Amino acid sequence: SYDLTQPPSVSVSPGQTARITCSGDALPKQYAYWYQQKPGQAPVLVIYKDTERPSGIPERFSGSSSGTKVTLTISGVQAEDEADYYCQSADSSASLGVFGGGTKLTVL
Amino acid sequence: EVQLVESGGGLVQPGGSLRLSCAASGFTFSGYWMTWVRQAPGKGLEWVANMNQDGGQKYYVDSVKGRFTISRDNAKSSLYLQMNSLRAEDTAVYYCARYAAAAPLDYWGQGTLVTVSS
Repeated sequence: SYDLTQPPSVSVSPGQTARITCSGDALPKQYAYWYQQKPGQAPVLVIYKDTERPSGIPERFSGSSSGTKVTLTISGVQAEDEADYYCQSADSSASLGVFGGGTKLTVL
Repeated sequence: EVQLVESGGGLVQPGGSLRLSCAASGFTFSGYWMTWVRQAPGKGLEWVANMNQDGGQKYYVDSVKGRFTISRDNAKSSLYLQMNSLRAEDTAVYYCARYAAAAPLDYWGQGTLVTVSS
């Protein structure tokens, strides 16, 4: 099976920049997507196709890609950004999606 | 407004069956792939199954192959997940999500909890 690797946790102070990484061998060939999930809620798409931001998502959320790693960057972190973040891509056949293990963002 | 509402979850004994439903509204259901994603208590997200617009293409994660069946009724704008031979490790919140070509999983339901326990 295909794995996407994320750090379990990231901590930042309000106003700082948070960077959450996701590594996977197929990422140079497959797009990555990022979801935010707050406790008791369904996930919300925050970045698609590596760098695109859906309408309604604040500009402080951005995505980047380099080789086998993609990064979600949250600039000027706010308390409301505290959540779990999941990267997602496709398996080698591109028929089934795969999620990373998730990263808990703590705003100190 | 796009809405996805899951139902059908509950407590079931190991080896039992359950059928989940997802009622869609606010968009042309027949024009989209659809997906089931699950989340075990305190754990991460797991992609379970997805299918194309007319049901001709269906894909499953290895752990549910041969036990779960994804289906849809475009006339009723509904997605289903038939779950058989349930195991304790299938205990999770099950979400249905719209799979858009440009931005997969752009809308999610609120989820329905399935508990497999004796």
